[in-house]
Amino acid sequence: DIVMTQTPLSSLVTLGQPASISCRSSQSLVHSDGNTYLSWLQQRPGQPPRLLIYKISDRLSGVPDRFSGSGAGTDFTLRISRVEAEDVGIYYCMQTTHLPPVTFGQGTKLEIK
Amino acid sequence: QVQLQQSGPGLVKPSQTLSLTCAISGDSVSTASVAWNWIRQSPSRGLEWLGRTYYRSKWYFDYAVSVRSRITISPDTSKNQFSLLLNSVIPEDTAVYYCVREDFWLNDAFDVWGQGTMVTVSS
Repeated sequence: DIVMTQTPLSSLVTLGQPASISCRSSQSLVHSDGNTYLSWLQQRPGQPPRLLIYKISDRLSGVPDRFSGSGAGTDFTLRISRVEAEDVGIYYCMQTTHLPPVTFGQGTKLEIK
Repeated sequence: QVQLQQSGPGLVKPSQTLSLTCAISGDSVSTASVAWNWIRQSPSRGLEWLGRTYYRSKWYFDYAVSVRSRITISPDTSKNQFSLLLNSVIPEDTAVYYCVREDFWLNDAFDVWGQGTMVTVSS
């Protein structure tokens, strides 16, 4: 199974400042079709996870453009350009390139300073 | 707008069968461009994918190795829903369970999640 490792596990950010979360996979996530199926989820307190970004950098409709994704191969990054109060929660990366199984990172907790 | 509505008991006794249902609105369980997944979340195991079903002229099923001997995912076209059965449950199966749509046309995005069902395995 593909192991997904996120850093940091927690992040304390000032409102209006940027935030960045890294995700590394144990092997390349490039699929035989040339795409890379790496997604980012946000889970607000008491809520189910919500998809933010898929295929490394595509934002789901309705997701604010302060969220962006980048990376290639085994190294990926989620960036929030200016953190807002509603961004508090846990962020997960997940891969669906090498499924089954789908695998997830352990999560990064984002809090406001 | 696609929505998933979960139902099922929140308490299951050890050795018994966990049974959850996910009702689909705004899409069809037999749509060829999607798959229907079950994922669970616990403090000890994090997010854990359990399995999925999808239709491509026939029904396909994929299951996680960790639960393969105990899990069944079943589509129900008459009710437009799919279900999860996990038998011989143990306390370690205690978790929040989610049903999730996987959209192949959206580059395999897990784009719609159910509200979650907290299931406790305890006598």
